[in-house]
Amino acid sequence: EAGVAQSPRYKIIEKRQSVAFWCNPISGHATLYWYQQILGQGPKLLIQFQNNGVVDDSQLPKDRFSAERLKGVDSTLKIQPAKLEDSAVYLCASRQTRGGRYEQYFGPGTRLTVT
Amino acid sequence: DAKTTQPTSMDCAEGRAANLPCNHSTISGNEYVYWYRQIHSQGPQYIIHGLKNNETNEMASLIITEDRKSSTLILPHATLRDTAVYYCTLRPTDSWGKLQFGAGTQVVVTP
Repeated sequence: EAGVAQSPRYKIIEKRQSVAFWCNPISGHATLYWYQQILGQGPKLLIQFQNNGVVDDSQLPKDRFSAERLKGVDSTLKIQPAKLEDSAVYLCASRQTRGGRYEQYFGPGTRLTVT
Repeated sequence: DAKTTQPTSMDCAEGRAANLPCNHSTISGNEYVYWYRQIHSQGPQYIIHGLKNNETNEMASLIITEDRKSSTLILPHATLRDTAVYYCTLRPTDSWGKLQFGAGTQVVVTP
């Protein structure tokens, strides 16, 4: 079974530029998450999708961050404009919704450096 | 804020059991205890979870106290590949329940 795919793995941009990250979840997983992980901290949930609908985006900084999952499969997270404090690893995760299996499967992450 | 408390770090000798504690004194009756680990430069990996009873799988054992206010993750025979940050987190039993990660415990397994 293929895991959660993310690209790019690394990205360096200057502040005020824009950036986008892509995630392809495990096939058949209806629930998709985006997390932000700042160095030395645990992952923080930014947004949760169920199919193509948003379940929870309470911690997403909506003035600069946006995310979409138009066809209910892969997803894109965008930052525009980036700030220095956005430097972090952005993790995508997915899980099944039915069958009692609630564990999340994480991708390798995208390491963003904002200079 | 995370609802769990873990030690910042701990060392373990290779081949010995590693016992990782977690305090969750404000846990609700409808919250599972979940454990994940994160090896350097990788995404977190699910280990095990439980509600009330002790659980065991091929990776680890989970011991939950009777009052559910704390738990211990046991790696029975630690290997160098078990060096990672281990996260203890709670998840409500409803299907939308989200995970809230704290800073975790950095476990270093030494030869």
